Amino acid sequence: DAGVIQSPRHEVTEMGQEVTLRCKPISGHNSLFWYRQTMMRGLELLIYFNNNVPIDDSGMPEDRFSAKMPNASFSTLKIQPSEPRDSAVYFCASSPEASKGAIQYFGAGTRLSVL
Amino acid sequence: AQSVTQLDSQVPVFEEAPVELRCNYSSSVSVYLFWYVQYPNQGLQLLLKYLSGSTLVKGINGFEAEFNKSQTSFHLRKPSVHISDTAEYFCAVRKDSSYKLIFGSGTRLLVRP
Repeated sequence: DAGVIQSPRHEVTEMGQEVTLRCKPISGHNSLFWYRQTMMRGLELLIYFNNNVPIDDSGMPEDRFSAKMPNASFSTLKIQPSEPRDSAVYFCASSPEASKGAIQYFGAGTRLSVL
Repeated sequence: AQSVTQLDSQVPVFEEAPVELRCNYSSSVSVYLFWYVQYPNQGLQLLLKYLSGSTLVKGINGFEAEFNKSQTSFHLRKPSVHISDTAEYFCAVRKDSSYKLIFGSGTRLLVRP
């Protein structure tokens, strides 16, 4: 398996623009997580999907952020409009199950820079 | 609330020396414990995990960790490090029946020749 695939790897955009980050989880995994990593706040869970349904979006910073999972093999995280403070590395992770000791497998991340 | 503390933000060590990266967690209930490694410009990769049973857990790349319930610790060790072990290491904890992984702030291991 190719692992969790994220695109793009790097994104540079200007403040106010819409940004869409994409994630393809590992086939057969039914849990998907979006994280944000910054120097100041470390790794933060933004949203968690189980069987394509958003279960917990309490980590989404504000209404400018939205995430979808239209099917089991694809998810997007959208920021509209983007702001410089959104600059961070965004990770997608998938897991075969959400509970117990199931491992979360991470993608390589998308490094977002908002100018 | 659950939390994970990694007291050392950076640990410099010479090649072939032993290393210990410290992790303490706060929880009064059963937890699952993980160590992840992040190499530069890459995602996180699982090193090892503790679910139950033996308190000494062996992982990949020669790393091991010991779960100490009384001290609520899960320190990561390696008897002899390589230059290639230079990376950021994250301790994480999850409560039984919860989906949320709580990560520590990370420890940067810097191995010098």
